[in-house]
Amino acid sequence: KNEVEQSPQNLTAQEGEFITINCSYSVGISALHWLQQHPGGGIVSLFMLSSGKKKHGRLIATINIQEKHSSLHITASHPRDSAVYICAVRNYGGSQGNLIFGKGTKLSVKP
Amino acid sequence: NAGVTQTPKFQVLKTGQSMTLQCAQDMNHEYMSWYRQDPGMGLRLIHYSVGAGITDQGEVPNGYNVSRSTTEDFPLRLLSAAPSQTSVYFCASSRSDVLGSRDTQYFGPGTRLTVL
Repeated sequence: KNEVEQSPQNLTAQEGEFITINCSYSVGISALHWLQQHPGGGIVSLFMLSSGKKKHGRLIATINIQEKHSSLHITASHPRDSAVYICAVRNYGGSQGNLIFGKGTKLSVKP
Repeated sequence: NAGVTQTPKFQVLKTGQSMTLQCAQDMNHEYMSWYRQDPGMGLRLIHYSVGAGITDQGEVPNGYNVSRSTTEDFPLRLLSAAPSQTSVYFCASSRSDVLGSRDTQYFGPGTRLTVL
C-alpha cells in the first residue's frame, strides 16, 4: 500500500466548477506539501501546511491531522488550472531527505 | 534570483555512457535533493544533501553518485547509464531543514534523460 494516496487520479471539470483533490497518508508527518506540475513539466510549490487551512487566491488547502487527510480545493476553476497536482508528506522522525510523494491527480479544466 | 537551474534540459545516452546532470541554486539553501519521475509513479528521492560536504542516499540511489563541494551546486552523476535510468530528473532545494521544519521546496525545470 502506498504511504500517500491521492484521489481521483484523473479529473475533468468545466470552467467555473469547484474542484476538490484528496490526499490520504498513513505515516506520521511533520508537514504536508501540495505541488503543481505544469504541462511543460515544471513543478511549483503551492502550499506547505501542518495544521488547519491555508488560502492563496482561488486555492484552499486543508489538513486534518487526526484523520491523516488533506484536501486541495480550487474555486471558480479555469483552463489555466489544468495541471498535475501532487501531494507530498514529510515523514515525522524520518531522515531530513524523506519526502514521500503521491502519484498525482491530473486535472483538466475545459472552457 | 535564478532559483534552481538544471542542465541539460534533454539528453540521450547510450547504455554504458557516463554523464553528469548539473544543478545549481542561488538562494543559499543548505538542503538540496535529486528526484526522478517515472510514468505512473510519484517522485522518488535519489540522493540528498543537508549542506556542503554532506550527502546521503534516498529511496533509489543505485547507479547514481553525488557530491556537494559548494552550497550552490549539487551534481548528479551516472557512471554507467542503463535503460532503467530513462526518466525525468528534478533537482530541488530548500532552506536548512532541521527536523520538523516546514520550508518550501523549490524545484528546477527538470532534465529529460533517455538511455538507449
